[in-house]
Amino acid sequence: DSGVTQTPKHLITATGQRVTLRCSPRSGDLSVYWYQQSLDQGLQFLIQYYNGEERAKGNILERFSAQQFPDLHSELNLSSLELGDSALYFCASSSELAGPGGADTQYFGPGTRLTVL
Amino acid sequence: QQPVQSPQAVILREGEDAVINCSSSKALYSVHWYRQKHGEAPVFLMILLKGGEQMRHEKISASFNEKKQQSSLYLTASQLSYSGTYFCGIPYQAGTALIFGKGTTLSVSS
Repeated sequence: DSGVTQTPKHLITATGQRVTLRCSPRSGDLSVYWYQQSLDQGLQFLIQYYNGEERAKGNILERFSAQQFPDLHSELNLSSLELGDSALYFCASSSELAGPGGADTQYFGPGTRLTVL
Repeated sequence: QQPVQSPQAVILREGEDAVINCSSSKALYSVHWYRQKHGEAPVFLMILLKGGEQMRHEKISASFNEKKQQSSLYLTASQLSYSGTYFCGIPYQAGTALIFGKGTTLSVSS
């Protein structure tokens, strides 16, 4: 158990709908990262927040957005869902902004499996 | 730029050894290794730093070759529990997220 929690575990919805995925980081961690994992694309970095502020953006679609709240939990909002959005969405957290070598150890949550029908 | 992992897949019998490589076209300062079991979260194994020592996690070790801009993961005397997909990740930008390779699937049988 990494200490990172994600809800819900599974989500089934229809095309065109909007969903919200939730993540609580490990106690004391200020950075939250969102990753998307699909069969053909592997683990893709979406976005990172540090202490409430957006820190870096990866391959995040305009239909997707995220935020980090004062209590440090984060939500990933996915809208106008398409079949291709079906994937495992992972949240990870780390304690520092930058450890040695430019990145800190990230601990992954169990993921939310999104199925778009 | 996404790091390149090789091989894509490895099949071993218990007790055999394997090497997984992770290469980057840009200068590397750190390489992070994770293992993921099917349907589970990636689990951190170790970080290799430029100029740093070879690292070890149980019987798994890794090294960093600055000249080749490559890290290698060495799985010695493999166990059934080693089965899974191994990912290497490199910092996306200094101090931020990781860009992962496509993974190497390791299958260990008895």
